[in-house]
Amino acid sequence: DARVTQTPRDKVTEMGQEVTMRCQPILGHNTVFWYRQTMMQGLELLAYFRNRAPLDDSGMPKDRFSAEMPDATLATLKIQPSEPRDSAVYFCASGFGTGVRNTEAFFGQGTRLTVV
Amino acid sequence: GNSVTQMEGPVTLSEEAFLTINCTYTATGYPSLFWYVQYPGEGLQLLLKATKADDKGSNKGFEATYRKETTSFHLEKGSVQVSDSAVYFCALSPFGNEKLTFGTGTRLTIIP
Repeated sequence: DARVTQTPRDKVTEMGQEVTMRCQPILGHNTVFWYRQTMMQGLELLAYFRNRAPLDDSGMPKDRFSAEMPDATLATLKIQPSEPRDSAVYFCASGFGTGVRNTEAFFGQGTRLTVV
Repeated sequence: GNSVTQMEGPVTLSEEAFLTINCTYTATGYPSLFWYVQYPGEGLQLLLKATKADDKGSNKGFEATYRKETTSFHLEKGSVQVSDSAVYFCALSPFGNEKLTFGTGTRLTIIP
């Protein structure tokens, strides 16, 4: 049963610490998305890759957030330094895109981040 | 820009009631439209989709029709069950890229 795997599921960290969230997309998928979900803002797109190249990271605070795909099986989202306002659930999703139409995006179970 | 406006929640219904959750969108061209469902503690799952005007997406008794004239994609189910309790998100993906723009979500609770 193919699925998007995110680690860790839960993370509690102190303000100022570096946080790294990992995502293993479904094998064969070529698009990867990072979303942040909060009660106030809902689902916000942070970054979006196709074939490992970043296509859009306009939703991501550049001064502290970075997203990469070191290889086709791993996507990472880093926050350095973390702040309490970064507390949220971070979702990774993968799909197969052609640049024309979106196919179904499969979501991971999310990483719940709490910054104290 | 692209946007999705969803019916405000929460919505509480009795089992076997008829469900409608309204969704309207703003987009240029011909976007694809989606409904996703999120169960407690889980990620989002695709419920149904439609890629062109007048298409009807359906799954698990849920239906939604792509109405370009009213820029709407309302979700309906004839008889809801307790297991349908979840948060429902309407979303669009514009023609030409794969980015999903989501509505704010509607929390649905079904009581026995």
